Amino acid sequence: QVQLVQSGAEVKKPGASVKVSCKASGYTFTGHNIHWVRQARGEGLEWVGRINPYGGGTKFAEKFQGRVTMTGETSSNTVFMELKGLTSDDTALYYCARGGKICSGFVCFDLWGQGTLVTVSA
Amino acid sequence: QSPLTQPASVSGSLGQSVSISCTGTTSDVGGYEFVSWYQQHPGEAPKLIIFDVSNRPSGVSHRFSGSKSGNTASLTISGLQAEDEADYFCSSYRSGSDTQWVFGGGTQVTVL
Repeated sequence: QVQLVQSGAEVKKPGASVKVSCKASGYTFTGHNIHWVRQARGEGLEWVGRINPYGGGTKFAEKFQGRVTMTGETSSNTVFMELKGLTSDDTALYYCARGGKICSGFVCFDLWGQGTLVTVSA
Repeated sequence: QSPLTQPASVSGSLGQSVSISCTGTTSDVGGYEFVSWYQQHPGEAPKLIIFDVSNRPSGVSHRFSGSKSGNTASLTISGLQAEDEADYFCSSYRSGSDTQWVFGGGTQVTVL
């Protein structure tokens, strides 16, 4: 079954870091970029960044640069996103999403994980 | 404030058609044929319903269609059904910055 399965909910204190995983199955892991998109409660979607699992190349949205790291583990078909220096503004549902090859330039997201809730609270 | 502008809500009766606009700039919506649309039901992950402005993935109802004029893209839902009640987000590739993918704030569709 083609799917992305994410790790469970996290509760962190301000200033801490969080690491979320996203395990791919049912397709060639190294054949698609994996993006991370977040959604605060009742808000829209916000692109965080993406990783190419084949070579490990990454690209991050400007507001997260210096604070986010994305890595891939081909042995387990898993990508990880670590966000440091958490504040209450980082409280959100974090989704991993696959860059779709059906789209020109692979610029759409054709498969999504179930989401991981990250709560930042003192 | 989301990079792409969508109406907060639209509504329509069963069987009617509704359209949702998505306005950006020449650096994103207006500059590329890379607009996609996502449907999100409460408590679920988004689902791709339109890519490359007007193409539907396999399995998506033909009642969903997309178009674009200048810096504004549109999603039209024809023959509105109860299961269409959801949030809809547009997205586009953006050039000229490191923030390469941008989204609209989302539009809640209500079926009357």
